[in-house]
Amino acid sequence: GIQVEQSPPDLILQEGANSTLRCNFSDSVNNLQWFHQNPWGQLINLFYIPSGTKQNGRLSATTVATERYSLLYISSSQTTDSGVYFCAVVMDSNYQLIWGAGTKLIIKP
Amino acid sequence: ETGVTQTPRHLVMGMTNKKSLKCEQHLGHNAMYWYKQSAKKPLELMFVYNFKEQTENNSVPSRFSPECPNSSHLFLHLHTLQPEDSALYLCASSHRTSGDRWGDTDTQYFGPGTRLTVL
Repeated sequence: GIQVEQSPPDLILQEGANSTLRCNFSDSVNNLQWFHQNPWGQLINLFYIPSGTKQNGRLSATTVATERYSLLYISSSQTTDSGVYFCAVVMDSNYQLIWGAGTKLIIKP
Repeated sequence: ETGVTQTPRHLVMGMTNKKSLKCEQHLGHNAMYWYKQSAKKPLELMFVYNFKEQTENNSVPSRFSPECPNSSHLFLHLHTLQPEDSALYLCASSHRTSGDRWGDTDTQYFGPGTRLTVL
């Protein structure tokens, strides 16, 4: 089956720093999503991005489908950005989300 | 607030107990999902309901029994669980028009989860 790998697994940054999170996937997909899970467990969809680039405030994402990777950029990090960031891709065959293991981000004040 | 609520938020139960988790969505979605999230592991899809019909059961043990009485409510009935079933159980919902390719409208909205501990 399709493999979804995220890197780095853990990231600790000072408030105000910028970061780049990566998601690699082993097969072609027709969509990819980024999620943020806060320290209390709530998962929020950040981007639906099968290809191209999208921006939402301090966050942006780029997916290069032909090279099977996606990047999530966080600029001017805030402590509220802490949590785990997941990417998930969809298999065409059954529309299920296949999840990566996540990147745990800690932003220190 | 995502429009998806789950109760209870925390649950501690013994291996012989029977309990139920409840999920409700206020988004007018047609599809609902149960996920299991264990420490250090990717989210595992357990069940999918589309228009109240179960469309996926990812080899989940029978001690987990889902129920979807209508498109807005989803239950997970638990009985004779094992300690390794301790995890965060997440409910999600989405629009999902059967047979269409995945699009923006299939974005899943998650509830806050139920933290389950089995003693």
